[in-house]
Amino acid sequence: DMQMTQSPSSLSASVGDRVTIACRASQNINNYLNWYQKKPGKAPKLLIYGASSLQSGVPSRFSGSGSGTDFTLTISSLQPEDFAIYYCQQSYTTPRTFGQGTKVEIK
Amino acid sequence: QVQLQESGPGLVKPSETLSLTCNVSGGSVNSGSYYWSWIRQPPGKGLEWIGYIFYSGSTNYNPSLKSRVTISVDTSKNQFSLRLNSLTAADTAVYYCATMTMLKFYALDIWGQGTTVTVSS
Repeated sequence: DMQMTQSPSSLSASVGDRVTIACRASQNINNYLNWYQKKPGKAPKLLIYGASSLQSGVPSRFSGSGSGTDFTLTISSLQPEDFAIYYCQQSYTTPRTFGQGTKVEIK
Repeated sequence: QVQLQESGPGLVKPSETLSLTCNVSGGSVNSGSYYWSWIRQPPGKGLEWIGYIFYSGSTNYNPSLKSRVTISVDTSKNQFSLRLNSLTAADTAVYYCATMTMLKFYALDIWGQGTTVTVSS
């Protein structure tokens, strides 16, 4: 199976901070990398697809970059509603696999 | 806009079979635009992809569950279903249905709210 590794596993940040989360695939997945936001009791929400395309309705402070095996999710100015767990997921091959998640906490 | 809603029993016994349904509104399960998917999240753990079905009936399952899982479509009711047999406590999770579209690099773009399943005697 394709292994997806996120770093860090958790981070503490303040409102207004720039936050970067990394995701590495065990093999080349081209641009088939997606990012989701997960809040307690809520379904995951698609933020970024195809490594860098912003899902409709998602604020522009979220952006994605990368290709091949290394990818990044950036939140340019962290807002109170952004405290959540973020998952990357590869959609290049089956079984689809997710990273272990990055918890973004309030500093 | 497609909307999804899961339904099923909240509590099932070990060794029994779980049956969940995802009702589709605002679109048709016969649409070639989507793959109809199931994902789960055990308590305190990450997301696990279970599998998907296309309107043609073709399926793809996670090998870790393949021997126990069946995903099917009911066009008359505009819904799709998940069956998971030989349940153990490790199958306790929140189960989500979701759509996957090739137009968005096969991302899971629309999700149901999720349904909690507990496996316990």
